[in-house]
Amino acid sequence: DVVMTQSPLYLPVTLGQTASISCRSSQSLVYSDGNTYLNWFRQRPGQSPRRLIYKISNRDSGVPDRFSGSGSGTDFTLKISRVEAEDAGVYYCMQGTHWPPYTFGQGTKLEIK
Amino acid sequence: QVQLVESGGGLVKPGGSLRLSCAASGFTFSDFYMSWIRQAPGKGLEWVSYISSSSTYRNDADSVKGRFTISRDNAKNSLYLQMNSLRAEDTAVYYCARGSREPDYWGQGTLVTVSS
Repeated sequence: DVVMTQSPLYLPVTLGQTASISCRSSQSLVYSDGNTYLNWFRQRPGQSPRRLIYKISNRDSGVPDRFSGSGSGTDFTLKISRVEAEDAGVYYCMQGTHWPPYTFGQGTKLEIK
Repeated sequence: QVQLVESGGGLVKPGGSLRLSCAASGFTFSDFYMSWIRQAPGKGLEWVSYISSSSTYRNDADSVKGRFTISRDNAKNSLYLQMNSLRAEDTAVYYCARGSREPDYWGQGTLVTVSS
């Protein structure tokens, strides 16, 4: 299995500051079609995950431009600028390149101070 | 708007069976791959299975291979997960999601508890 390793696992951030989450994969996530299937999700308590970013850096509809994804190969980052209270939750990276199975990172809990 | 509504969860004894359903609406169901993803209580996310739009391709995680079967009925806009030989470690919230490599919409989940 491709192992997805996130850091940090806990991230306290002051309102208005920038949060950065790292995600590293044990293998390159470049697929044979040339795409890199790296997604980012946020899960709030008691809710299902919501996709924020796909293919490394593409924001989903309705996701503020404060959220940005970057990286390549095996090394990826989610950055949240000007953090707001509603950004709190657990963030997961997920690879959709290698099966079996597609895999998620362990999750990073973002706490707003 | 896209809606995915899971049902069929509940309490089952080890070795028992359960069939989960996911009712889809708000999009052309037959155009999309669909997936089941689970989350054990207080834990992270784990892929279970996915199925192609016309059921040609199905793939299961090793942890459920031979015990779980994913299927769909495009005429009914529904996705299913037949779970047999259930184990305590299958206890989780089961989510259906649209897509496979890039699941974009998720249901609210249904809880499966395997316990004697």
